[in-house]
Amino acid sequence: GESVGLHLPTLSVQEGDNSIINCAYSNSASDYFIWYKQESGKGPQFIIDIRSNMDKRQGQRVTVLLNKTVKHLSLQIAATQPGDSAVYFCAENYFSGGGADGLTFGKGTHLIIQP
Amino acid sequence: EAGVAQSPRYKIIEKRQSVAFWCNPISGHATLYWYQQILGQGPKLLIQFQNNGVVDDSQLPKDRFSAERLKGVDSTLKIQPAKLEDSAVYLCASSLGTPGTDTQYFGPGTRLTVL
Repeated sequence: GESVGLHLPTLSVQEGDNSIINCAYSNSASDYFIWYKQESGKGPQFIIDIRSNMDKRQGQRVTVLLNKTVKHLSLQIAATQPGDSAVYFCAENYFSGGGADGLTFGKGTHLIIQP
Repeated sequence: EAGVAQSPRYKIIEKRQSVAFWCNPISGHATLYWYQQILGQGPKLLIQFQNNGVVDDSQLPKDRFSAERLKGVDSTLKIQPAKLEDSAVYLCASSLGTPGTDTQYFGPGTRLTVL
């Protein structure tokens, strides 16, 4: 079946720099996208979401960009901190109206912060 | 607000044995999900409940996996008999209950090792 994928398994950045994590999705009908952060031994933690009728959404130090033309999603983290070290997953959802709205996750990008 | 609770946090069993996991969702959340996360991969949906009814179990291996949410609150996921490939983290998530619009919040997961 269709699934969400990520371009890079590992991303290393310097503390204080900006990070950009990319995601390609394959289901053009998906209408809801979410970024999760997962630290070792913990469950995924919601970061930010965006709906298909938007192309940009900002939160605190994070921005999600959605390009539906090329089916691409990105997460930008400003002024990366040591606490940002984790695996980041993008997830997509296509709600067909039948009630089922389970998420489809990609494989994840491991963000490593260099001091 | 208390998060999604799961127990046990860790479980080690031998193949062909049975195991059960428990989940208590966030108070007031009508929708509950079980995901399986194999090491190095993103979570994969197993089953979705809306109150005490199953909405989607299309990816649940029904020959060995079962789940219930009898009173529409807590849920249990059972594997009988377990196989080596069932080694994974089993994540429970919950959302308010409006399909396709609500954020899914995850618990810490149960790490299962099958020997």
